[in-house]
Amino acid sequence: AQRVTQPEKLLSVFKGAPVELKCNYSYSGSPELFWYVQYSRQRLQLLLRHISRESIKGFTADLNKGETSFHLKKPFAQEEDSAMYYCALNDNQGGKLIFGQGTELSVKP
Amino acid sequence: KAGVTQTPRYLIKTRGQQVTLSCSPISGHRSVSWYQQTPGQGLQFLFEYFSETQRNKGNFPGRFSGRQFSNSRSEMNVSTLELGDSALYLCASSLAGPQAKNIQYFGAGTRLSVL
Repeated sequence: AQRVTQPEKLLSVFKGAPVELKCNYSYSGSPELFWYVQYSRQRLQLLLRHISRESIKGFTADLNKGETSFHLKKPFAQEEDSAMYYCALNDNQGGKLIFGQGTELSVKP
Repeated sequence: KAGVTQTPRYLIKTRGQQVTLSCSPISGHRSVSWYQQTPGQGLQFLFEYFSETQRNKGNFPGRFSGRQFSNSRSEMNVSTLELGDSALYLCASSLAGPQAKNIQYFGAGTRLSVL
C-alpha cells in the first residue's frame, strides 16, 4: 500500500542553522511527490513539487527513487519558516493525495 | 481570482445527526477532493469528484458521501454522526483532467464538532 512517512513530529532549530525535514514513501510505481506547508492560521498551500525541481523560499527537495525519499532542505533557516510541513504523494490516480503525518518546524531566534 | 471557499466554517452537531458541508472550487477547476484532518490520523483522503463523477474514494464508511454539481461545486454529507467524526474537513480543487496530476489548492476547512 502507498504510504508516506515523516519520522519527526517536531524539529526545532536556531535561526541560520540548516534544516532537513525527512520524508520517505512506499509506492511501487513513479509517484509525484509534493511538500505542502501550513503557516499559523493560514490554509494548507503547496511549497514544492518534485517535478518542477525549483527552489521556493530557499527550500529544495530532491526525489531519491533508490532510497524512496523526498527530503526537504534549507541551508539557513529563518524564523518565518516556522510552520507545519506535510509531505504528500500522488499515486497517478487523479486528485488523491496521500499525506505524511506532518513535521512541525520551529525556528528559534 | 477567488480561492477555494468552504462553508460553513464551524459546525456543532450531536451524535446521530447528519451534516452537509459545501465547497466552491476556484473558477475553472473541475476536480474537487475532500480530506479529513484529525490530530490522531492526520490528513486522510475521503473522495474526489471530477465532472460530477466520483473518481477516487478513500477508506471511509458509507456514512460519508459526496456529490458534485455541474458548476463544479461540491458537497459532502455525513450521516449518523459519531463522536469520532469530529475533525477539520478540507476541500481542495485542481485543474485536473483525466489522469492528469495537478496542484491542489486547499480551502480553509470546516471544523465539525460532534457532541
